[in-house]
This record gives sequence, structure tokens and C-alpha cells, in this order.
Amino acid sequence: NAGVTQTPKFRILKIGQSMTLQCTQDMNHNYMYWYRQDPGMGLKLIYYSVGAGITDKGEVPNGYNVSRSTTEDFPLRLELAAPSQTSVYFCASSYSPGTGTLAKNIQYFGAGTRLSVL
Amino acid sequence: SQKIEQNSEALNIQEGKTATLTCNYTNYSPAYLQWYRQDPGRGPVFLLLIRENEKEKRKERLKVTFDTTLKQSLFHITASQPADSATYLCALDVNNDMRFGAGTRLTVKP
Repeated sequence: NAGVTQTPKFRILKIGQSMTLQCTQDMNHNYMYWYRQDPGMGLKLIYYSVGAGITDKGEVPNGYNVSRSTTEDFPLRLELAAPSQTSVYFCASSYSPGTGTLAKNIQYFGAGTRLSVL
Repeated sequence: SQKIEQNSEALNIQEGKTATLTCNYTNYSPAYLQWYRQDPGRGPVFLLLIRENEKEKRKERLKVTFDTTLKQSLFHITASQPADSATYLCALDVNNDMRFGAGTRLTVKP
């Protein structure tokens, strides 16, 4: 019953460093998402993917990149870390039987990655 | 501007009482609305989904209402228990995107 697995759980970066947040799901879901959650704020969508090889920007994509080479994996890349990227990052997945509105389904979330950029 | 507002940052109630959480939105016309529960250090977990043409949805001790005229959803937990203590998030679908409220932290005291 793994569901959505995120690694690492915690990470401290220095300004300008890069890193990849890993996300994998074993539910054969076609949709995957990356969110960030800041204190007192709602989850903000960074990027999403409707299937392998297809990605698109969400509400706050600047400073991030993603790829989706397989159904299971959806890594999030930070190229030049900045203090504004200090946040908790959540990966999620859902299943949608067809194209069209992407969010008409229940989302399953990972436990999150807490990232600090100092 | 578009906003999703959850009634208060924190809500404290006594065990056995009914907790009522509010989600108000402006300048959106969502086809449906979801409620999630989030415990400290964990990701949100889906609880209920209610469509725009549904007035009310129930699941065990949970009840959700959706008033598209008032642009408001109410989330009720009846016979609340300390184990219900968590942050509850509402989420709206917006043009192929999901928008989340900041959440209300509910504490149920024994």
C-alpha cells in the first residue's frame, strides 16, 4: 500500500544549489502534480502531468522544472535554489479516464518534502 | 480577484459538539468542491466531493453542503472526537486546475 512516495523528507540547500525532489506512485494513475505549501497559505500548483511525456505549468512554475518519462515517476527539479523556495512540497496523483478537465478526480498525496534554502 | 477563504485559521470545540467549517469563494464557478483533511507532517487526505448540482453530501459523521448562490460550502463534523483534530482544506476545480484554501485547524478538546 505505498501510494505516493516522496524523497527526501527533509533537505537544506544553500542559495544557488540545485536538487531534484523525487516522486513515485504505484497506483497506475495518469495524472501527477506538484504543489508547494507555505504557512497560512493554500496549496499552490507548480506543475502537473496528464501522462508520460506530457507536462504543463500550474500557478507558480517559475524556478522549477519537471519531467515525466514514466507513468510512475514525476521528479521536480530546482536549478538555482532561492530562499523564496523554502516550503513544503507535495506530490499528488489522480486517475482521469479521458482528456478534458484535469482535476475532476480525487487526489492522493505523498507525505511531503520539507525544503529550506539558506 | 479570485479568492478562497476558510472561515478562520483555528477552531476549538468540545468533544461531542458539532464542528462547522466554512469555505467561501469569490469570482469562481466551480463544477465541484472537495474537502481534505491534513494532519501535521502529512499530505492531505480526501474526504468528500460535492458537485454543483448537489445541495448536500454525507459520509458517516461528516456532512458537506454546497450553495452556489452564496458561493459557500459548509463542512460539518457531528459528535466530534479528539481524533478529528486536524487541518481541513477545501478545494475547487478552476479551469483544469485545483485551487486550495489555506485550511482551518480544528482542535477537539476532551
